[in-house]
Amino acid sequence: EVQLLESGGGLVQPGESLRLSCAASGFAFSSYDMSWVRQAPGKGLEWVSVISDSGDRIYSADSLKDRFTISRDNSKSTLYLQMRSLRVEDTAMYFCARWANGELPVPFDHWGQGTLVTVSS
Amino acid sequence: SYELTQPPSVSVSPGQTARITCSGDALPKKYAYWYQQKSGQAPVLVIYEDNKRPSGIPERFSGSSSGTMATLTISGAQVEDEADYYCYSVDSSGKQSVFGGGTKLTVL
Repeated sequence: EVQLLESGGGLVQPGESLRLSCAASGFAFSSYDMSWVRQAPGKGLEWVSVISDSGDRIYSADSLKDRFTISRDNSKSTLYLQMRSLRVEDTAMYFCARWANGELPVPFDHWGQGTLVTVSS
Repeated sequence: SYELTQPPSVSVSPGQTARITCSGDALPKKYAYWYQQKSGQAPVLVIYEDNKRPSGIPERFSGSSSGTMATLTISGAQVEDEADYYCYSVDSSGKQSVFGGGTKLTVL
């Protein structure tokens, strides 16, 4: 069974940094592209970033790429999101999600339950 | 920046057909994907590549795309289909992904 377990969320002050982790199990993590998606309280989904299976290709939302960095450690089956200079508006549930393999990769066929990041003074 | 536009809400009675639209300039050349999110839960993929249904998704869910508009259709909507629905696609470069603003489906 595919499992994605996010961790690392919490309460931080504006300007601080935080690193989120997503531990994957139940599939060959190193063979799948992975993403982060966030959702502010009561708001819609917002795509954050995607990283290829080997980590050699990364795309991030233009509005976030200067502060947020996606990475992965295939030896640990873990996805990361390094967030810097956090702002109040970064308060959200952060989900990691898998891309399914196929003739064309299918985005977000499995999701974690999310980790909540609250940015407040 | 690229945007996908969805109606904020759609309401139908049980057994009726619900249609949720998603418009975007790149949709003629890029696939649309649809996600269902029930309250307090993670999203679930219900349609991929415009009109394909993942295993385990009921047959009443279908998708289509024409020109700049993609449509999610729920034929014979049931109370348990009440949820927020999001379309997803990429811009013409393929490098920027975007979700639509979401549509709240009410079935009552």
